[in-house]
Amino acid sequence: EAQVTQNPRYLITVTGKKLTVTCSQNMNHEYMSWYRQDPGLGLRQIYYSMNVEVTDKGDVPEGYKVSRKEKRNFPLILESPSPNQTSLYFCASSLRSALGEQYFGPGTRLTVT
Amino acid sequence: GESVGLHLPTLSVQEGDNSIINCAYSNSASDYFIWYKQESGKGPQFIIDIRSNMDKRQGQRVTVLLNKTVKHLSLQIAATQPGDSAVYFCAEIRSGGTSYGKLTFGQGTILTVHP
Repeated sequence: EAQVTQNPRYLITVTGKKLTVTCSQNMNHEYMSWYRQDPGLGLRQIYYSMNVEVTDKGDVPEGYKVSRKEKRNFPLILESPSPNQTSLYFCASSLRSALGEQYFGPGTRLTVT
Repeated sequence: GESVGLHLPTLSVQEGDNSIINCAYSNSASDYFIWYKQESGKGPQFIIDIRSNMDKRQGQRVTVLLNKTVKHLSLQIAATQPGDSAVYFCAEIRSGGTSYGKLTFGQGTILTVHP
């Protein structure tokens, strides 16, 4: 089944404790992206990747890192999480660019205390 | 499910009515637009897209209209069904230049369809 998977789905952590949210797609998509969703602010793009080893900042990259060493994986790294990074995170992928249909993962609910 | 719709515009319709959801975009350089639907507890789902060289595009029960003069998009849903109840987002993209690949979402509209 074609899908985007994220892990973990739920995470509660403390300020400053490094964490990684994994994202994987099995559709051989070139484009992958991370978003955060907050009440009243909608979806905001954090980082995106046009292909392996190519990553760019979205609208809200501060406090996040990403890497794209393989086509299928695009982990989101929070080196020192803070409470303002408490949010619902979505990973998405599409065949060749942000144009066309993006397939979204199920979301990761992160709480930083 | 998770609440992502606090303070969003809302639209309430009766089953069978047509719905029109509006979106204003911000960047006049954006040349590609997408509508997404997000049901409670799920990720966004692609509905329809349109390029800036078009002013109308039709899909199955949905039509997107683009007015570049006033930077406005609308999504029309024909014969709205209870399963259409969701939050609807527009998104704008620049398909070239240094921000190629960067996608900006609108704030969203909550659509509620009453049987």
